[in-house]
Amino acid sequence: QQQVKQSPQSLIVQKGGISIINCAYENTAFDYFPWYQQFPGKGPALLIAIRPDVSEKKEGRFTISFNKSAKQFSLHIMDSQPGDSATYFCAAGEAGTALIFGKGTTLSVSS
Amino acid sequence: GAVVSQHPSRVICKSGTSVKIECRSLDFQATTMFWYRQFPKKSLMLMATSNEGSKATYEQGVEKDKFLINHASLTLSTLTVTSAHPEDSSFYICSARSGAGGFYNEQFFGPGTRLTVL
Repeated sequence: QQQVKQSPQSLIVQKGGISIINCAYENTAFDYFPWYQQFPGKGPALLIAIRPDVSEKKEGRFTISFNKSAKQFSLHIMDSQPGDSATYFCAAGEAGTALIFGKGTTLSVSS
Repeated sequence: GAVVSQHPSRVICKSGTSVKIECRSLDFQATTMFWYRQFPKKSLMLMATSNEGSKATYEQGVEKDKFLINHASLTLSTLTVTSAHPEDSSFYICSARSGAGGFYNEQFFGPGTRLTVL
């Protein structure tokens, strides 16, 4: 019940395309859903996060879509750029506890 | 804002020695800090959770006598890998959470420390 399942494991997108990464969770007590971006040899950086009282949040080219009934959330990267090539982790958690991370998606944006 | 630093960024040590890694929240007070370990091309594995002024809570399978965690202040946590062995070589990352307003569960990560044990 503590798992967060992330897919796909890897993704190749052409420059200017849309990158979509999906995550599913099981614990209905989770109330915080962040996405992190990690470049090789660096720590993860918080990209965008959402709470379950909204279905979508947009920040620049990054959008989180959240479906509470399906217990799924996704990251959409619009107009993907080569600089977006990185590993993306979804996570989920509830107040006072550690975040549970997905296994990560390696995104490659080809120019 | 919300900057977390780690020191050192890289460390190479001999087998059997101990190594200390520092994690600092630079512009906020971190009531809780987390230590993760990450293997190449893998996800983050939570090792332990530490709250300021109290003993760390270790995840199952993590040896607390080997990975000593101290969270002595609201801006500093340390991880000491004692009697390090080559299998302890990994990328260690800390994160910090303020718990003060905003997204209560927001965690900010440090840049990581690459430990190599020879």
